[in-house]
Amino acid sequence: AQSVTQLDSQVPVFEEAPVELRCNYSSSVSVYLFWYVQYPNQGLQLLLKYLSGSTLVKGINGFEAEFNKSQTSFHLRKPSVHISDTAEYFCAVSGSTGRRALTFGSGTRLQVQP
Amino acid sequence: KAGVTQTPRYLIKTRGQQVTLSCSPISGHRSVSWYQQTPGQGLQFLFEYFSETQRNKGNFPGRFSGRQFSNSRSEMNVSTLELGDSALYLCASRGDRGNTDTQYFGPGTRLTVL
Repeated sequence: AQSVTQLDSQVPVFEEAPVELRCNYSSSVSVYLFWYVQYPNQGLQLLLKYLSGSTLVKGINGFEAEFNKSQTSFHLRKPSVHISDTAEYFCAVSGSTGRRALTFGSGTRLQVQP
Repeated sequence: KAGVTQTPRYLIKTRGQQVTLSCSPISGHRSVSWYQQTPGQGLQFLFEYFSETQRNKGNFPGRFSGRQFSNSRSEMNVSTLELGDSALYLCASRGDRGNTDTQYFGPGTRLTVL
């Protein structure tokens, strides 16, 4: 079984400041890791994913995340946020074999203030 | 390529009724998954269909069912609706490369049970 913990339910930040959204996971098998973003009244959009290889993953809209196996973390970062980044962000995990469903964290609401 | 489409976008039902939601995957995708999103429970996996066969199922009661047609379109049905079934129901489609493939989400169907 897998689980995902997003430590912050809300993160307020000023425009052009850097931000880090934290994600920790638990799994007894090898995993793939994902970050999705959800804008109001919309579905989920993939920001980036880690499958294997380089632990630093770059995604869309200037986001990046680093996979840390020893700390079982996959934190999302952006060096300079914009008002348009205001949204809900979800970290998710799936097993690399077998069960193919995504297990999601509870989400982090990023609020970018001018 | 057109994205994942879901119909209807909004539904209002009363307790005890049943409802059917529809999902059309991205062209060429044979895997369709359904997720329920609520403020209290977050995003939870319902089931996945691949080539008309259910190949994975989450921990939901039997009132929740689904099917997939030969053109990969999928429907989910909820019978004997309860107030707690009010949620955003998200459908996601994926290609055939298994867990490495990205799940692409539709905009969701917002179900309100009165």
